[in-house]
Amino acid sequence: GAVVSQHPSWVICKSGTSVKIECRSLDFQATTMFWYRQFPKQSLMLMATSNEGSKATYEQGVEKDKFLINHASLTLSTLTVTSAHPEDSSFYICSALETKGEKLFFGSGTQLSVL
Amino acid sequence: QKEVEQNSGPLSVPEGAIASLNCTYSDRGSQSFFWYRQYSGKSPELIMFIYSNGDKEDGRFTAQLNKASQYVSLLIRDSQPSDSATYLCAVNGGAAGNKLTFGGGTRVLVKP
Repeated sequence: GAVVSQHPSWVICKSGTSVKIECRSLDFQATTMFWYRQFPKQSLMLMATSNEGSKATYEQGVEKDKFLINHASLTLSTLTVTSAHPEDSSFYICSALETKGEKLFFGSGTQLSVL
Repeated sequence: QKEVEQNSGPLSVPEGAIASLNCTYSDRGSQSFFWYRQYSGKSPELIMFIYSNGDKEDGRFTAQLNKASQYVSLLIRDSQPSDSATYLCAVNGGAAGNKLTFGGGTRVLVKP
């Protein structure tokens, strides 16, 4: 299957700092990428849809000013958690839509811990 | 009613048996259907996809789609302990467009 690279795999930061997570589609172009958050023993929660060259579309209840998404190229989307707080600690997962087959492939995830 | 529903489990099956997972969806316009496997602490991994009514087999996995009844199922033959994971059903198309809608997942436990 297609490869989606997500970096970093885990990050520990102090409360109030910002954290940037990168998501790259390595062997296909992805005009659409998605960002999810997952708390322990819960299912994936879609945060936002990232479209190349345009503004991201956020799901209800997700603060766009707190979770900044940039999709500057067909292979890269970034999520920046601004002024992180302990309640933002979670597993963040990106995914990229392979347009040709309409299949969604996931990055390896980023475990964020905010102290 | 949730858009995509799965029994949360755990579904406990003995090693070598068949694990049968079901998923129902509410949007009749849905067009693509996926099964993902997620190990604890890891991100989901695509294992099967199906677009047309009927069965699709890939190795030990068989996906079954019935659009009239709005359900999609996954069979795991010769279940192995390594199959123990949470299986997520996802649906694409319809009102949601290209945005996948996930079920809550079914936890499968294969006992040696």
